[in-house]
Amino acid sequence: DIVMTQTPLSLSVTPGQPASISCKSSQSLLSSDGKNYLYWYLQKPGQSPQLLIYEVSSRFSGVPDRFGGSGSGTDFTLKISRVEAEDVGVYYCMQGTHLPPTFGQGTKVEIK
Amino acid sequence: QLQLQASGPGLVKPSETLSLTCTVSGGSISSSYYYWGWIRQPPGKGLEWIGNIYHSGSTYYNPSLKSRITISLDTSKNHFSLKVTSVTAADTAVYYCAMPFGYWGQGTLVAVSS
Repeated sequence: DIVMTQTPLSLSVTPGQPASISCKSSQSLLSSDGKNYLYWYLQKPGQSPQLLIYEVSSRFSGVPDRFGGSGSGTDFTLKISRVEAEDVGVYYCMQGTHLPPTFGQGTKVEIK
Repeated sequence: QLQLQASGPGLVKPSETLSLTCTVSGGSISSSYYYWGWIRQPPGKGLEWIGNIYHSGSTYYNPSLKSRITISLDTSKNHFSLKVTSVTAADTAVYYCAMPFGYWGQGTLVAVSS
C-alpha cells in the first residue's frame, strides 16, 4: 500500500495567519492519464470528513478560496491563506491513484 | 444534492457478522455516473478504505480485509450494503459510506464486544 506521511501532526495557528500542511507519498501519484489523484479532507470534531481539494488543487463545491493545494508526484501541500476559527479539526490527505486508496495520519489544527 | 446515511446495529458480538446499510438520496445508485464505497475509522485513529462497488455490481475490496468483506447493491431500495464476517475488537470503528470522493454519510459507530 502507498504510505502517506503528513507533517506536522499538529498545528496551532493565530486567526488570520496562514497555515501549511505537507503530505508525502511513498510512490508517485502521477497516473497514466497525467493526473495526480491527491485529495485533502477536513474532519471537524464529531463530523464526517469533508472534501476540500481534489486532484491536488481543485476546490470542491462550496470550499472557500482561502484553501489551496499544490504539488505533484510525491510531494503535496495544503495551504490556508488566512485561518479562521471554523477551520479547526483534523486534516487528511488521501491518494486515489493506487489501490487501495490510503490516507495520511492526519494533522490536527487548533486555534491559538 | 447527494446524501448518504449509514445505519445498522451499534453492537456486534465477536466472531459474528457486522451488517450495515447505506441509504442514498438525491441520486440513483444504479447510475453509471457514481460508484459507492465504505471507509472506517477506529476510535481516535485514522481512516481506512474498506472497499467499493460500481453501478455494474463489480467490486474492489482492500486486500487487508478482502476475505471477510462483501459489498452489494440493492437498486430497488436505492441502498448499498457492507458485511464483515468473523469480527473482532479490531473491527470496532465508525463506518462511513461514501460516493467517492466528495460525498460522505454521517457515519455509524459499531462496537464489537460480548
